[in-house]
Amino acid sequence: GDSVTQMEGPVTLSEEAFLTINCTYTATGYPSLFWYVQYPGEGLQLLLKATKADDKGSNKGFEATYRKETTSFHLEKGSVQVSDSAVYFCALTESMDSNYQLIWGAGTKLIIKP
Amino acid sequence: NAGVMQNPRHLVRRRGQEARLRCSPMKGHSHVYWYRQLPEEGLKFMVYLQKENIIDESGMPKERFSAEFPKEGPSILRIQQVVRGDSAAYFCASSPGGEKQYFGPGTRLTVT
Repeated sequence: GDSVTQMEGPVTLSEEAFLTINCTYTATGYPSLFWYVQYPGEGLQLLLKATKADDKGSNKGFEATYRKETTSFHLEKGSVQVSDSAVYFCALTESMDSNYQLIWGAGTKLIIKP
Repeated sequence: NAGVMQNPRHLVRRRGQEARLRCSPMKGHSHVYWYRQLPEEGLKFMVYLQKENIIDESGMPKERFSAEFPKEGPSILRIQQVVRGDSAAYFCASSPGGEKQYFGPGTRLTVT
């Protein structure tokens, strides 16, 4: 079945460092790909998405490019802030599946130190 | 437009009791998804409902768990005879249809 694999955390960086969180997927069809963020004690917020190969999703300085050839959707940010500390989840949904249920990675905890 | 609402936010139950979790979708949304997040893990799909219908319950345990989304009122996830392994965060998401889902703040269930 479909699956999502994320790099294990926690990832600890200093403020203004460059961030990459790796995400790879396996899917039988043509999935849409998502990054969600979960701040401490809160629910999930959609951070960005991409629906087809070579699409780039971006939001709040974060970017991710849908790479079909490497089945990847790595999250990047050029200069992180303390307020970016959170858990980041990569997820997919199959566009061919009318149920649109999300399949999730395990999450990567990001800690940014001042 | 209010977001997805879940209550209670925190629920403590003793083993063997029933847990009832509520989810009020965003106005105009007729699709509801329930996901479970076990400690230190990602979310797992449980069930997908439309008004008065269960569309896909393939992720829900066969026993003790049930879900409904009545014509009026919130969607309910019911867990009977809770066990310690049911301790988790339960998230509801609503959708107007299609792939976009809006998440509630979650209910954190603790079974003692």
